[in-house]
Amino acid sequence: GENVEQHPSTLSVQEGDSAVIKCTYSDSASNYFPWYKQELGKGPQLIIDIRSNVGEKKDQRIAVTLNKTAKHFSLHITETQPEDSAVYFCAASIQTGANNLFFGTGTRLTVIP
Amino acid sequence: EAGVAQSPRYKIIEKRQSVAFWCNPISGHATLYWYQQILGQGPKLLIQFQNNGVVDDSQLPKDRFSAERLKGVDSTLKIQPAKLEDSAVYLCASSLVFGRTEAFFGQGTRLTVV
Repeated sequence: GENVEQHPSTLSVQEGDSAVIKCTYSDSASNYFPWYKQELGKGPQLIIDIRSNVGEKKDQRIAVTLNKTAKHFSLHITETQPEDSAVYFCAASIQTGANNLFFGTGTRLTVIP
Repeated sequence: EAGVAQSPRYKIIEKRQSVAFWCNPISGHATLYWYQQILGQGPKLLIQFQNNGVVDDSQLPKDRFSAERLKGVDSTLKIQPAKLEDSAVYLCASSLVFGRTEAFFGQGTRLTVV
C-alpha cells in the first residue's frame, strides 16, 4: 500500500516568517494530495488540496506544490501567524475525499510571537 | 451547516471491556469513514461506508471491531473486547459524493484503555 513520509516532525518559526513542510509518497497511482490542520482537541480540517494534473495551488498565505516525477509535495505557509500553530498532516489517495487516505506522521508547527 | 457530530468525547475503560462510539455525519453526505489516530501518528482508515453499505473494511480488525450504518445516516463503531493498544482517538468523517468531494472530520472520541 501507499507509504507517506513527512518532514520535519516539529517546526518552530518566528511570526511573519515562512514555514515549509515536505512529504513524499510511494504509490505512483496516487493523484489526490490534501493537507489537514489539526488543532488540539479537534479533528483534522482540510486547508488545501492538489490533484496530480496541477503542479501548484495557492490560497492566500498557503500554497502547495507537487512534483509527480519525484513523488513529493510540499506545503508553504507565508507570513505565519500565531494562529497557524497546530499539527499539519499531509495525505495521499487515489481518489478525492477520505477514501483510503494515507496520512503522514504530522508536523507540529509553532509560530513564536 | 452543522459539522460531523461524535459522542462521547472521551471514554476510559478497562481492557477486555466493550465500548461503542457514535457518529452523525453532515446531512446529505452519502459517504462515512471511521479513522483511528494513535497518539503521535496520522489517522488510519478503519472502514468506509457508501450509504448503508460497506465499501472497504480491509483495515478493520474484525475479530474485535465492528461498525454499522443501518439507515445510511448515523453510524456506530464498537470494540469488544478492548485491548490496551486500542487507546487512540477515533475520528469519523463524511463526504458528499464518494471519491469526488472533500471529507469533513468530527472532533473525535478519545479512548483510553487501562
